[in-house]
Amino acid sequence: EADIYQTPRYLVIGTGKKITLECSQTMGHDKMYWYQQDPGMELHLIHYSYGVNSTEKGDLSSESTVSRIRTEHFPLTLESARPSHTSQYLCASQSSTGQSATYEQYFGPGTRLTVT
Amino acid sequence: GQQVMQIPQYQHVQEGEDFTTYCNSSTTLSNIQWYKQRPGGHPVFLIQLVKSGEVKKQKRLTFQFGEAKKNSSLHITATQTTDVGTYFCAGRTNAGKSTFGDGTTLTVKP
Repeated sequence: EADIYQTPRYLVIGTGKKITLECSQTMGHDKMYWYQQDPGMELHLIHYSYGVNSTEKGDLSSESTVSRIRTEHFPLTLESARPSHTSQYLCASQSSTGQSATYEQYFGPGTRLTVT
Repeated sequence: GQQVMQIPQYQHVQEGEDFTTYCNSSTTLSNIQWYKQRPGGHPVFLIQLVKSGEVKKQKRLTFQFGEAKKNSSLHITATQTTDVGTYFCAGRTNAGKSTFGDGTTLTVKP
């Protein structure tokens, strides 16, 4: 079982509020990712990081921001939540090296966000 | 940029029927991974294919990597209700960039 955690699991919040979705992993992985996914739909990469102090925007434009101050922690922040942000947010981590050279991404359980 | 297409988007089968999903990349891949996401869950890694023409099996699941390393398939023999979910491929280029396909959602009628 992967050691990657996300909190909160569920969040209902009003429009205009600032929120931070937490993601932590204890595997020492350099690479971390944030995906946005509507139920039963494709995964949209919104942010990624290849190491401490390294963050990049993904393929899907997002109004969120991320930070990577510590290897194990990759929080995502929405400064002003809107109903269009309602979705599931999945965090993943990946080892950049590995003797087995497996590029498996380990996903957290996700945060289901509802903005009213 | 790199594109990874998956077909079909949805597949409904009767329990016991076979199922196949196909993954096609616009660029040559260094390797490809397959994931399964159960309804309400998160994607879970199934397997990685690296070599041209590689075939791997996991019980009733057979994974293939094309000779040109631009396409892949996942075949499930005699589906069971436990197979329901969305299957994603993720293609990784030599530059180290991974792109997920759009997924194929499988439903199985008992």
